[in-house]
Amino acid sequence: GAGVSQSPSNKVTEKGKDVELRCDPISGHTALYWYRQSLGQGLEFLIYFQGNSAPDKSGLPSDRFSAERTGGSVSTLTIQRTQQEDSAVYLCASSLGWGLEGGYTFGSGTRLTVV
Amino acid sequence: GDSVTQMEGPVTLSEEAFLTINCTYTATGYPSLFWYVQYPGEGLQLLLKATKADDKGSNKGFEATYRKETTSFHLEKGSVQVSDSAVYFCASTRSNDYKLSFGAGTTVTVRA
Repeated sequence: GAGVSQSPSNKVTEKGKDVELRCDPISGHTALYWYRQSLGQGLEFLIYFQGNSAPDKSGLPSDRFSAERTGGSVSTLTIQRTQQEDSAVYLCASSLGWGLEGGYTFGSGTRLTVV
Repeated sequence: GDSVTQMEGPVTLSEEAFLTINCTYTATGYPSLFWYVQYPGEGLQLLLKATKADDKGSNKGFEATYRKETTSFHLEKGSVQVSDSAVYFCASTRSNDYKLSFGAGTTVTVRA
């Protein structure tokens, strides 16, 4: 597509429920990234995909968080047993390769609220 | 580790005023430096970048110069417009790395 698409744009969930956040990167972009934007924490790196592989998962905050990417395209970030501290905007970005000469292209994000 | 510190906001200006947002970085080696902008309800957009010392990035009337001696990458615009109201993020990455380190963001509001 023309840009990075994320869905849903907003999600309210009850504490303890699982949620899935979807990212559809720009067609042909091999690299995909998830970041989290929360009050007091700024923007935090979560995970990086090159194709379907995730060589860097170092930013995932706990084992409740997981992500996958299929077909070198769509990625899903799953948060199990959500907690209130998971409330944040989850941003997805993609780039043509893993270098950053051109910068990333970000999606508009999914605002997750855990109540 | 690598980090970016940027001026805290919020910043409120009148139209046609001069805008400066300070940004300093700590990094090993020579990082690439970026400014991203987030308009209300939208995703982050790359505003400008510089990949080596003394480079000047520019876009939409904004400029920032990579100053190695002061480890800074301050964002400036000579005459802001209401449409420049947004959150601005300074970011850095090591060369040939994919992971961006972001500053906390500075909210800028321009009043007519």
